[in-house]
Amino acid sequence: QSALTQPASVSGSPGQSITISCTGTSSDIGSYNYVSWYQQHPGKAPKLMISDVNNRPSGVSNRFSGSKSGNTASLTISGLQAEDEADYYCSSDTSNNIRVFGGGTKLTVL
Amino acid sequence: EVQLVESGGNLVQPGRSLRLSCAASGFSFDDYAMHWVRQPPGKGLEWVSGIIWNSGIIRYADSVKGRFTISRDNAKNSLYLQMNSLRPDDTALYYCAKPMRAWSKSSGFDDWGQGTLVTVST
Repeated sequence: QSALTQPASVSGSPGQSITISCTGTSSDIGSYNYVSWYQQHPGKAPKLMISDVNNRPSGVSNRFSGSKSGNTASLTISGLQAEDEADYYCSSDTSNNIRVFGGGTKLTVL
Repeated sequence: EVQLVESGGNLVQPGRSLRLSCAASGFSFDDYAMHWVRQPPGKGLEWVSGIIWNSGIIRYADSVKGRFTISRDNAKNSLYLQMNSLRPDDTALYYCAKPMRAWSKSSGFDDWGQGTLVTVST
């Protein structure tokens, strides 16, 4: 039941695009289209940004998109804005019918 | 408007027990699976446990299996987490979380409470 692997940090300038990767195994990301992405600002509860690999909940900006290839999922943020600076977490269902989160990625907008 | 309000967090000594509650409103509680997710201070998210709408399927993270028990009372729109044999590494903010889709075990969590803090220390 290992955590999914995310880069500790990524950065980008306003207007640029960035991609955060989330690497799992054939027992989680590789087997299920149930990858979610969350944004968390300091002192706040997480916010769902992407569900089911690439499904954006109502109200989430279309600058956020998700994808998956093999055992790796990705979150892409286009047109980077200052308010996008936050921690981002991926999550996946697993073959044990439990959820697992990634370690989190700190996004810095330069 | 969906509201999830956790309570029950406290400072407790190692080995002791604590019961967390989550009061839900603004949606059909008995149509949804519900989950507990925790976050140690300054660290990342960890899924703790989940229970489907009729309590027929329950799952736990390995780190809490055998010590924690999740339950729900649909008549009271409430979710619970009984935590026994608490350890210092259980110290965290505990969130109650609701999936985006009803009758789904697998969708992302689109509603979260504000969390309740559990501190395990002498």
